[in-house]
Amino acid sequence: NAGVTQTPKFRVLKTGQSMTLLCAQDMNHEYMYWYRQDPGMGLRLIHYSVGEGTTAKGEVPDGYNVSRLKKQNFLLGLESAAPSQTSVYFCASSYSLDGTGGAEQFFGPGTRLTVL
Amino acid sequence: TQLLEQSPQFLSIQEGENLTVYCNSSSVFSSLQWYRQEPGEGPVLLVTVVTGGEVKKLKRLTFQFGDARKDSSLHITAAQPGDTGLYLCAGERVENTDKLIFGTGTRLQVFP
Repeated sequence: NAGVTQTPKFRVLKTGQSMTLLCAQDMNHEYMYWYRQDPGMGLRLIHYSVGEGTTAKGEVPDGYNVSRLKKQNFLLGLESAAPSQTSVYFCASSYSLDGTGGAEQFFGPGTRLTVL
Repeated sequence: TQLLEQSPQFLSIQEGENLTVYCNSSSVFSSLQWYRQEPGEGPVLLVTVVTGGEVKKLKRLTFQFGDARKDSSLHITAAQPGDTGLYLCAGERVENTDKLIFGTGTRLQVFP
């Protein structure tokens, strides 16, 4: 099993360009998440999905869109990139968090994005 | 505003020393997890605590969940260079169990 994979691993964009980050998981997880990681900020949730065809906003959703057309894939889009979106982006997946024990989140290796 | 504050933010120690990392909040959590992240990789789960006052041990690492389920601590005994990494706490809030809130992180460096 590959677990959680992310493409691309690195990307450099110019301000105003668009791109899509792809996350794929082969563990049949219901929940998927997109985070950004900046120095001193830990992980901040951008958007998440609790099942195929559903999405919800996290803490920092502005400037991003997502889609979950297939259970195994979760796409993160930047329509018009800004320098403030320079960050490392992580995708994660898990079984449902049902308040009884906190399901483990499995993370991809990350995508390092630089916006000039 | 960060819901989960970790301290210290950075820790640089010699091999063999003991250390404690704190994770504090004013919110109550159903459960709390600790992850470790190494450079260039995603975080990996170390432990989950679910009961107030619970203590879990993982070799030289001891994790405790506060009685009121608002805070947690990670204690490492006799740190080794292999313990080097970013430690993140993450809580599952009572009012929204669909997602985790991650702490600000503690970067630990252990020198031989």
